[in-house]
Amino acid sequence: GENVEQHPSTLSVQEGDSAVIKCTYSDSASNYFPWYKQELGKGPQLIIDIRSNVGEKKDQRIAVTLNKTAKHFSLHITETQPEDSAVYFCAATPPTYQKVTFGTGTKLQVIP
Amino acid sequence: DGGITQSPKYLFRKEGQNVTLSCEQNLNHDAMYWYRQDPGQGLRLIYYSQIVNDFQKGDIAEGYSVSREKKESFPLTVTSAQKNPTAFYLCASSPTGRASGYTFGSGTRLTVV
Repeated sequence: GENVEQHPSTLSVQEGDSAVIKCTYSDSASNYFPWYKQELGKGPQLIIDIRSNVGEKKDQRIAVTLNKTAKHFSLHITETQPEDSAVYFCAATPPTYQKVTFGTGTKLQVIP
Repeated sequence: DGGITQSPKYLFRKEGQNVTLSCEQNLNHDAMYWYRQDPGQGLRLIYYSQIVNDFQKGDIAEGYSVSREKKESFPLTVTSAQKNPTAFYLCASSPTGRASGYTFGSGTRLTVV
């Protein structure tokens, strides 16, 4: 089955700096890669996603890159703000069914 | 507004009791899922359903049961056979056909007392 590794597990940045979270996956058939943000005591929320036919996608301060050959994808947050503090999960989805494999999460702390 | 609603937000269970967590969605999604999250941990899949009247076990189904009698509803029962049920439970839904992101509920925090 699919295996997703996520690094780092914790990340502290100064407000205004950039943050990068990296994930690798094992199943080359996976073709959809969402990222979720989970604030304390709440459910995860989809913040950005990328499909395997695209190398990069941006939405304001966040961007995701995908390297299919190396089987890794990354989340980039620029100009970080205190409200970006949360746990971020990456995920990989195979094309044949909807069962998603999640990474173990990264706790991001933005220091004012 | 469309969304997914979990209730209750907090639930306390005595040893040996069964409890049922509610999950309702009005997004017209075919697929629904239950995840368990322990403090500082990731998401572990309990059960999932891709269509009404059908569901499959996830990675940690022992001690849990589900039903899917309506498209909108996917309740989870935590039975007395689940030895360590204290956790944060998350329900999610998604359309089928093309891989899409999940919509999650706000979660139910279950505590054994």
